[in-house]
Amino acid sequence: QSVLTQPPSVSGAPGQSVTISCTGSSSNIGANYDVHWYQQLPGTAPKLLIYENNNRPSGVPDRFSGSKSGTSASLAITGLQAEDEADYYCQSYDSSLSGVVFGGGTKLTVL
Amino acid sequence: DVQLLESGGGLVQPGGSLRLSCAASGFTFSTFAMNWVRQAPGKGLEWVSTISGSGGDTYYADSLEGRFTISRDYSKNTLYLQMNSLRAEDTAVYYCARDRCSGGNCYFDYWGQGTLVTVSS
Repeated sequence: QSVLTQPPSVSGAPGQSVTISCTGSSSNIGANYDVHWYQQLPGTAPKLLIYENNNRPSGVPDRFSGSKSGTSASLAITGLQAEDEADYYCQSYDSSLSGVVFGGGTKLTVL
Repeated sequence: DVQLLESGGGLVQPGGSLRLSCAASGFTFSTFAMNWVRQAPGKGLEWVSTISGSGGDTYYADSLEGRFTISRDYSKNTLYLQMNSLRAEDTAVYYCARDRCSGGNCYFDYWGQGTLVTVSS
């Protein structure tokens, strides 16, 4: 059971948009700790996708965006492409656990 | 370019020990905290441990129960994870990752390719 809760799977057709939620609590996201997102393509290492809630590293398309409100955060992907099919993880810090926490991951399927 | 290259994984019996290494290049090693993150087969990511840039501060996931030790060698630009009393549930791909922090909020901006540790008799 992950500290941050994500839907196990989402799907969308090419060109459509999807949103992946990440729900935490008052000891992590709700305590004003930032949320970061990673993309893990099949068989590869995770890659930083969004940092500090809504910032994209160089090279990440602007089709990817992040937001945070209260005890939750979201990753939005617009204009879905086949190469977006991957697992997506949110990450934050938990003051009760005194450590980094991840969401359980969401598998995105591009139909 | 930043590169992180893990090694040292393999098959080990329950109760055994293993030391993982992560060779870092392309950045000033002493400037950044470093981490180990693991992923059990078919499962999600789990933070394992962090070591500060100076090496003076270390942090561990509670689930490890004191069995793992993180360290770093500045002369070799290498991060280590000493794993003792290994259990079947430690079976995972172990990634090293560079830490970026801003105002106490930290994330992992570069990851290695991972090394597989299998604990089985």
